[in-house]
Amino acid sequence: NAGVTQTPKFQVLKTGQSMTLQCAQDMNHEYMSWYRQDPGMGLRLIHYSVGAGITDQGEVPNGYNVSRSTTEDFPLRLLSAAPSQTSVYFCASSPGLAGGNEQFFGPGTRLTVL
Amino acid sequence: GENVEQHPSTLSVQEGDSAVIKCTYSDSASNYFPWYKQELGKRPQLIIDIRSNVGEKKDQRIAVTLNKTAKHFSLHITETQPEDSAVYFCVAGYSSASKIIFGSGTRLSIRP
Repeated sequence: NAGVTQTPKFQVLKTGQSMTLQCAQDMNHEYMSWYRQDPGMGLRLIHYSVGAGITDQGEVPNGYNVSRSTTEDFPLRLLSAAPSQTSVYFCASSPGLAGGNEQFFGPGTRLTVL
Repeated sequence: GENVEQHPSTLSVQEGDSAVIKCTYSDSASNYFPWYKQELGKRPQLIIDIRSNVGEKKDQRIAVTLNKTAKHFSLHITETQPEDSAVYFCVAGYSSASKIIFGSGTRLSIRP
């Protein structure tokens, strides 16, 4: 199993550009989520999904969209990039609800917005 | 909602000594307490977790203790080694919750 994979590993955007961060898992996990990690701060939840077709907002959802059309994929879209979105983004999956299960993280995407 | 406070934010210990990281939580319904380790430039990974029906769990050099009355739990690392240098995150969750809140992290450095 590849586990949780993310692409790209690095990305540089200009302010106002849009892009999609890809996330896929091959463990048949129902629950998937997106976090951002900023220097000196912990992991903050952006959006999450408890199954295909179901998504919800986390702590910091503004400026991001998600969709979950399949169990395997959970892409994160930046609508109009801003310098405040410069961060490391982690996708995670778990076999059940996050509150009671181990989170399996992808390798991360380092995003810089100029 | 749930709030998790983690202390200290940085910790430096001599190789071979013990390290202790503490977390407190606000929601008395919390019943699942995992700890994640994140090495520099890597993804967070689970190192140990405990559920509310036990007070302590050990796995070789690491252990977690839970005090539900006081609503705090701690990570203990004994006989620290250079590979223990990393950022450690605590989480307080409950099994029916869709989302979790991570502590702010502790950067542990092991001095040779």
